[in-house]
Amino acid sequence: EPEVTQTPSHQVTQMGQEVILRCVPISNHLYFYWYRQILGQKVEFLVSFYNNEISEKSEIFDDQFSVERPDGSNFTLKIRSTKLEDSAMYFCASSRSRDRAYNEQFFGPGTRLTVL
Amino acid sequence: AQSVTQLDSHVSVSEGTPVLLRCNYSSSYSPSLFWYVQHPNKGLQLLLKYTSAATLVKGINGFEAEFKKSETSFHLTKPSAHMSDAAEYFCVVSEKAAGNKLTFGGGTRVLVKP
Repeated sequence: EPEVTQTPSHQVTQMGQEVILRCVPISNHLYFYWYRQILGQKVEFLVSFYNNEISEKSEIFDDQFSVERPDGSNFTLKIRSTKLEDSAMYFCASSRSRDRAYNEQFFGPGTRLTVL
Repeated sequence: AQSVTQLDSHVSVSEGTPVLLRCNYSSSYSPSLFWYVQHPNKGLQLLLKYTSAATLVKGINGFEAEFKKSETSFHLTKPSAHMSDAAEYFCVVSEKAAGNKLTFGGGTRVLVKP
C-alpha cells in the first residue's frame, strides 16, 4: 500500500542552523501539507502546497520557513535559522484531491527536530 | 473558523469493554470530519472519515463514529476494546473553503487494562 515517507526520522541541530526536512508524498497525490506537533501540544497546520505554489499558510509559517517541490517526488520544508521553539515533530501529509470523496490526508511517520 | 474539542484527555477502559471518545466541532460550512490514531512513536493513521454521506461511519479495526449535526458532535466508539487500541486519538475537522487544512483536537489518550 502506498505511503508517505519522511527523512530523517530524527534531526538534532544547533540554534541558528538551517535544516531541511524531506518528504516523499504518495505518487498520485496532488496536495501536500506540513504540520507540526510541539511536545504536549496540539498538531498544528503549517502550510499547504498545490501546483508548485503555497495554497494556505498559518501564522506560524513565517519568513524563516519555506517549502519546495524540487522534483517530481520530493517535498521539502526548510527552516533557515532554527530557534529553540522550533523543536517539534514535523509531519508531512498528502491528499489526492480537495473534493470530499478523496480529501483524506495521509501522514508520514514524522521527523523529530531537536534544536539545541 | 473551525475548531475541535475533545472532551476527555484520557480514557481508561478494560479489555473487552466499549470505548467512547467524545468530540465536538465548530465549523462555518459543511465540514469533513476525521478520526486519526497515533500509536507510540508512530505517525498518524486515518481511522475513518465523514464527508456528508451516511451519518454513521465505519472505520478500520472495528471503530465507528456518528455525525450529529444538531449536537455538532462526532463521537468515536468501539464495542469491545483490545489491548492494541491503546494509543492517542485525534478528532479532526477540515473545510474545503479553508483550503482543506486540518484542525486537530487536543487528543484523547486511551489506556486499555487487561
